[in-house]
Amino acid sequence: DSGVTQTPKHLITATGQRVTLRCSPRSGDLSVYWYQQSLDQGLQFLIHYYNGEERAKGNILERFSAQQFPDLHSELNLSSLELGDSALYFCASSSPGQGGNGYTFGSGTRLTVV
Amino acid sequence: AQSVAQPEDQVNVAEGNPLTVKCTYSVSGNPYLFWYVQYPNRGLQFLLKYITGDNLVKGSYGFEAEFNKSQTSFHLKKPSALVSDSALYFCAVRDGPGNTGKLIFGQGTTLQVKP
Repeated sequence: DSGVTQTPKHLITATGQRVTLRCSPRSGDLSVYWYQQSLDQGLQFLIHYYNGEERAKGNILERFSAQQFPDLHSELNLSSLELGDSALYFCASSSPGQGGNGYTFGSGTRLTVV
Repeated sequence: AQSVAQPEDQVNVAEGNPLTVKCTYSVSGNPYLFWYVQYPNRGLQFLLKYITGDNLVKGSYGFEAEFNKSQTSFHLKKPSALVSDSALYFCAVRDGPGNTGKLIFGQGTTLQVKP
């Protein structure tokens, strides 16, 4: 157990629907990063939150949004889902002093859009 | 922009032989480089990092990596491969200031170790 918790582990939904993925960072970590892993695109950075504030955005679609709450958990919202959104979605967390050690990843949410 | 490249989609080695998984980087400034491993249906696990200091970095599970500034490379190595090392390996570079910059990953290299 890495200490980063992602729920749900698996999600199957239909095109056009909206889903919410949840991430609880490791205790004490202030940063949460979201990544999308697909076969053709590899690991793509989506967005970074630090202590509730958005810090950086990657190739995140306008249909996707995220937020980090006061208790530091984060949610990634995916709407108007398309078949191509099927992927593994990972979150990772870090604390300022541990950024140099890389990040701790959750086990991911596998999203299947049918 | 910072980037890393992993030129091999797959590396095949026999158990007991040395292994190398290649990574080259392109950065402005000093590179902060990482290797991660991903086992099937699992998240990424940190193996090792290079920040400053010795060019040979030792990490988890007997892995090490050699930082080469002139060749802009950060190859992952292990003297004797195990079947259990078979997994997907990612090289990454930190992009952004301080300790909170995001990681940019290479495309990944599948390591297959055969008995």
